[in-house]
Amino acid sequence: RKEVEQDPGPFNVPEGATVAFNCTYSNSASQSFFWYRQDCRKEPKLLMSVYSSGNEDGRFTAQLNRASQYISLLIRDSKLSDSATYLCVVAGGGNKLTFGTGTQLKVEL
Amino acid sequence: GAVVSQHPSRVICKSGTSVKIECRSLDFQATTMFWYRQFPKQSLMLMATSNEGSKATYEQGVEKDKFLINHASLTLSTLTVTSAHPEDSSFYICSARGRGLLPLHFGNGTRLTVT
Repeated sequence: RKEVEQDPGPFNVPEGATVAFNCTYSNSASQSFFWYRQDCRKEPKLLMSVYSSGNEDGRFTAQLNRASQYISLLIRDSKLSDSATYLCVVAGGGNKLTFGTGTQLKVEL
Repeated sequence: GAVVSQHPSRVICKSGTSVKIECRSLDFQATTMFWYRQFPKQSLMLMATSNEGSKATYEQGVEKDKFLINHASLTLSTLTVTSAHPEDSSFYICSARGRGLLPLHFGNGTRLTVT
């Protein structure tokens, strides 16, 4: 089993739609969780951290479920510019980051 | 915000030559830098972790004699791919953090093509 698993997609959604991604992790001792966004052939950029109580940043909402060992990202009112690959990132002991393979999102007119 | 600069962004070299990639933190002191490699449609894979002034720690399966890492100052780490082969062609990305803080800040990546 991979340490961090994501559905690779692609998720093709119309502009304005709401879309959600899940990510599961295998190490129950994982401590920190993040969503990064990676555009084609570019470096990853931090989208948001994921807190235990859930957190929201504009159209983006992240949630953590420690019992089931998954995190989620919800994007409301999708924009064309949201098209990218979304990477689930989990940090364990020693702050070592493990990346998921990413979920590709394509927002269409 | 914190900025990490990576150079070059793209390099093409012949098989058997060596390539050096630089990673600089521009507005903070990077006590730890990480080097990743990403093949097409795959996730970032950590190659090694370097702490300023000490030897790098390599992940399992990464040859330390082939991928030389130097972290001589708090703002600069270099990765040298020695005797490059076509299978080393990949996207190499560095990241850096300050003193014990997440998340990481990434460089813009280097696309290496070995012919």
